[in-house]
Amino acid sequence: EVQLVESGGGLVQPGGSLRLSCAASGFAFSSFYTAWVRQAPGKGLEWVGRISHRADNFATLYAASVRGRFIISRDDSKKSAYLEMNSLQHEDTAVYYCARENWSAFEYWGQGILVTVSS
Amino acid sequence: DIVLTQTPLSSPVTLGQPVSISCRSSQSLVNSDGNTYLNWLQQRPGQPPRLLLYKISNRFSGVPDRFSGSGAGTDFTLRISRVEAEDVGVYYCMQAMLPLPTFGQGTTVEIK
Repeated sequence: EVQLVESGGGLVQPGGSLRLSCAASGFAFSSFYTAWVRQAPGKGLEWVGRISHRADNFATLYAASVRGRFIISRDDSKKSAYLEMNSLQHEDTAVYYCARENWSAFEYWGQGILVTVSS
Repeated sequence: DIVLTQTPLSSPVTLGQPVSISCRSSQSLVNSDGNTYLNWLQQRPGQPPRLLLYKISNRFSGVPDRFSGSGAGTDFTLRISRVEAEDVGVYYCMQAMLPLPTFGQGTTVEIK
């Protein structure tokens, strides 16, 4: 069974940092891209960014709203992806999802993890 | 960025009746490889999103055949042939063209 489990969320002050993890199981993690998508409370989905697999040189891509502040990485030996978030702002408050991306389709999603930016 | 506009934003429907959701793109979604990477997702209340259809009309694993997709270029439609209670939720179209993927604003399907 394909599973993605996010962790590392919580409450952080404006300007602070947080690192989310996405642990995968049930499939060949190293063969797929991993995407991050967020959803602010009561709002729609917003693509955050993604990291490709080794064959595509672990290339990363980011939404304009997070570029320069967020960094996506992965460790295939741990079947995990990471979202490092810096200079967090109130508007970054959201549930963050990781998803398995295959040919531009987000096939499987984690349950999500809440990040709250507040003083 | 490519903007996806969904209509309607809310759709009350009677159980067993059909419902259609439109998704219009600000530019053609035909990729240079000839594919159109327009996907549909469902988000039930309190749940993460779930992929329903990819590349316009291909049902993902486990998706019932009452869900279908159509369209081309800039105009796409998701259709549920006979709505069931478990179909309540928000439906999003999503495009995965470069440079950046974007989502529609979502359409809420509720039972009358």
